[in-house]
This record gives sequence, structure tokens and C-alpha cells, in this order.
Amino acid sequence: AQSVSQHNHHVILSEAASLELGCNYSYGGTVNLFWYVQYPGQHLQLLLKYFSGDPLVKGIKGFEAEFIKSKFSFNLRKPSVQWSDTAEYFCAVKEKGTYKYIFGTGTRLKVLA
Amino acid sequence: NAGVTQTPKFRILKIGQSMTLQCAQDMNHNYMYWYRQDPGMGLKLIYYSVGAGITDKGEVPNGYNVSRSTTEDFPLRLELAAPSQTSVYFCASQEGSSYEQYFGPGTRLTVT
Repeated sequence: AQSVSQHNHHVILSEAASLELGCNYSYGGTVNLFWYVQYPGQHLQLLLKYFSGDPLVKGIKGFEAEFIKSKFSFNLRKPSVQWSDTAEYFCAVKEKGTYKYIFGTGTRLKVLA
Repeated sequence: NAGVTQTPKFRILKIGQSMTLQCAQDMNHNYMYWYRQDPGMGLKLIYYSVGAGITDKGEVPNGYNVSRSTTEDFPLRLELAAPSQTSVYFCASQEGSSYEQYFGPGTRLTVT
């Protein structure tokens, strides 16, 4: 069965620090990849997605992610975090041709002002 | 657009009771999903639907039922509630080609 691993469960950073959150998945076929964010008290919303083409994708609020097929990874990055990035971040994978999404366990990011 | 709405926001059930969690969307999306979120476990897919009259099981369907009689509504039914069903439940809808899911605000359910 497919699985998605997010190895960092809690991350604490100071403002202006760089961020990288790991995401690895277990499916060997073609996948679509997503990062969602849940700000405190808000709905989950899409940060960015990868379907095909350039493996470096850019999303909202300065986030980007790189798809490395050989490593089954889709890590999320931001060069300089802000206090407002405090949230929980979820990686998700969808097998191409299906409508089932598998979510990772999430990473809680706290940014200290 | 209200987007995806869920009712109720909070509910406490006794073991063995039943209830229906309501979900509605006004974006005319064909695809709708129910997830549960438990601390440290991420989101688990319970059921999904690709259109009115069509539903299918996700990862954790046991103890739940769904129906999809209209495009707008996708209620989730809990029969014989158990403490293991204590969770936050999220409904989501998706416009087919973009694959972006739009989530509702969630229902926090406690079974005691």
C-alpha cells in the first residue's frame, strides 16, 4: 500500500531562518504530489502541487518544492520563514489515474519572532 | 461562494448513538471526500465520491456510511458510535482537472 512519510513532526525556527520539510512516498508508479498547509484556526489550503515537467515547483507565499523521482521525495522549502508561517504542513500523494489521496502525518512548524 | 460547509462544528456522542455529519459545497465540484484527522496521524481518507450516486471506500471506512444523492451534498453517517471514532472530520471537494481540494472547517466529534 502507498504511504507518505514526513520525518519532521515538530520544527521550531527563528524568523529569517531557512526551512526544509521532508516528504517521502512509497509508490513506484506515476504520482501527483501536493503540499497543504493548515494555519491555526483555518481550513487546510493548497500550497503547491506537482504533476509533471519542471521538478522544481513554486507555490504561494514564497514556498517551493522539489520532486526527486529517484529518491521518491518531494521536500518543501522556503529560504526565509516568517512568524506568519507558523502552521501545520501536510504532504499528500495521489496515484495518477485515481482519486484517492494519501496524506502524511504532518509537520508542525513554529516560527519564533 | 460559501465554499465547503460542514455542520455541526462540535458534537459529543455517547457510545452506541448514531449521527450524520453534513457536508455541502456550492462550487459544482464532482469529487467530494471525507477525512478524519487524529493527532500525529495526519488525514485518513474515509470515503470519497466522483459524482452523484457514486461512492467508494478510502483507507478507513469501517463504522461509516455515505451517500451522494446530489452534486452539492455528501453526508457521512456514523452508526453505533465508538470511542475510536473520536476525531476531527474534514470534508473536501475537488474540481476535476486541477486536483486541488477545497476543505471545510471540520467537525470535532467526541464519543464517550
